[in-house]
Amino acid sequence: DAGITQSPRHKVTETGTPVTLRCHQTENHRYMYWYRQDPGHGLRLIHYSYGVKDTDKGEVSDGYSVSRSKTEDFLLTLESATSSQTSVYFCAISELDRTLVGYTFGSGTRLTVV
Amino acid sequence: AQSVTQLGSHVSVSEGALVLLRCNYSSSVPPYLFWYVQYPNQGLQLLLKYTSAATLVKGINGFEAEFKKSETSFHLTKPSAHMSDAAEYFCAVSEGDDKIIFGKGTRLHILP
Repeated sequence: DAGITQSPRHKVTETGTPVTLRCHQTENHRYMYWYRQDPGHGLRLIHYSYGVKDTDKGEVSDGYSVSRSKTEDFLLTLESATSSQTSVYFCAISELDRTLVGYTFGSGTRLTVV
Repeated sequence: AQSVTQLGSHVSVSEGALVLLRCNYSSSVPPYLFWYVQYPNQGLQLLLKYTSAATLVKGINGFEAEFKKSETSFHLTKPSAHMSDAAEYFCAVSEGDDKIIFGKGTRLHILP
């Protein structure tokens, strides 16, 4: 979707190194989300944001932190990457009436921790 | 807390046959329900949504879903499968708070 961009699209990193994934939106939506997708688990919520500097934890937040200093950017950081964090990460955005319109997803970042 | 169960991680149908993907939900309040589709190496796209209006919801690409409160179900159907329908499909539920919870997905295979 042209309104939401994730970077990088692919990354290979070593165990123990820090990694930051970026989600950028041009829609001026208030809500942003980070999910991870793994076979057999579907999508699981990591963290989400209500607005600038306003974030909360999802169901699988251990080992991850987030920051949102601007409306358009939502960063996901793995402080010390582990092999269990090898996954595909998706960012999503939604408008205020989010439950009526659902989410718009980015194209994903495939992260491999070796 | 809300949850979603999708029956069958893989479903195969012949081209031209009926597509039926099953989804059951659990929610303590009237839910909002969604179906998303994911094509290979892409993000998820919204197929259709139920938000307490009509119980039969029509979506894109000829798909529709029916909300049945008595069965706590929201199954996805399409009368005639096309090769381009091969993808992974996710059912999702929200209780009107800030989060949407996704099922584990069903991969649809179309047989020629």
